[in-house]
Amino acid sequence: GDSVTQMEGPVTLSEEAFLTINCTYTATGYPSLFWYVQYPGEGLQLLLKATKADDKGSNKGFEATYRKETTSFHLEKGSVQVSDSAVYFCALESSNDYKLSFGAGTTVTVRA
Amino acid sequence: ETGVTQSPTHLIKTRGQQVTLRCSSQSGHNTVSWYQQALGQGPQFIFQYYREEENGRGNFPPRFSGLQFPNYSSELNVNALELDDSALYLCASSLEYNEQFFGPGTRLTVL
Repeated sequence: GDSVTQMEGPVTLSEEAFLTINCTYTATGYPSLFWYVQYPGEGLQLLLKATKADDKGSNKGFEATYRKETTSFHLEKGSVQVSDSAVYFCALESSNDYKLSFGAGTTVTVRA
Repeated sequence: ETGVTQSPTHLIKTRGQQVTLRCSSQSGHNTVSWYQQALGQGPQFIFQYYREEENGRGNFPPRFSGLQFPNYSSELNVNALELDDSALYLCASSLEYNEQFFGPGTRLTVL
């Protein structure tokens, strides 16, 4: 079945550092790919998405490119802020049944 | 526009009891999905309801059941609670199969 594997955390960075969180997936068909963010005590918020190969999703300085050849959707941000501290989830939506499959999450802490 | 709301926020139950969690969809949405997020893990798909019919189910036993009402709000029922059912239960609504919007979740603790 469909699955997502993402880089284990926790990740601790200093402000203005570069952030990468790796995500790879296994799926049949042509899934859509997502990054969600969960701030402490809150629900999931969609950060960015890409619906087909070579699409780049971007939002709030974060970017991820849908790479079909490597089945990857790595999240990057060039200069993180303390407010980026959160748990980040990579997810895919099956083109067959539209259900979301999530990775285990990566906890990111940014220190001032 | 009101977002997805869930009630209650927190709940404590004992093993063997039954629980009902509630979700109000975002205005205009007709599809509701439920997810279980155990501590330190990613959400796991439980099931989805579309126009009051179950429309897909994950690997959860039959004691997890649900309903969707004509106003598209939804309930998740769990019978015979087990310790491993302790988790954050997330509801997400969408219009058809478009972007899913998540509620804040209900934190269930089973003692």
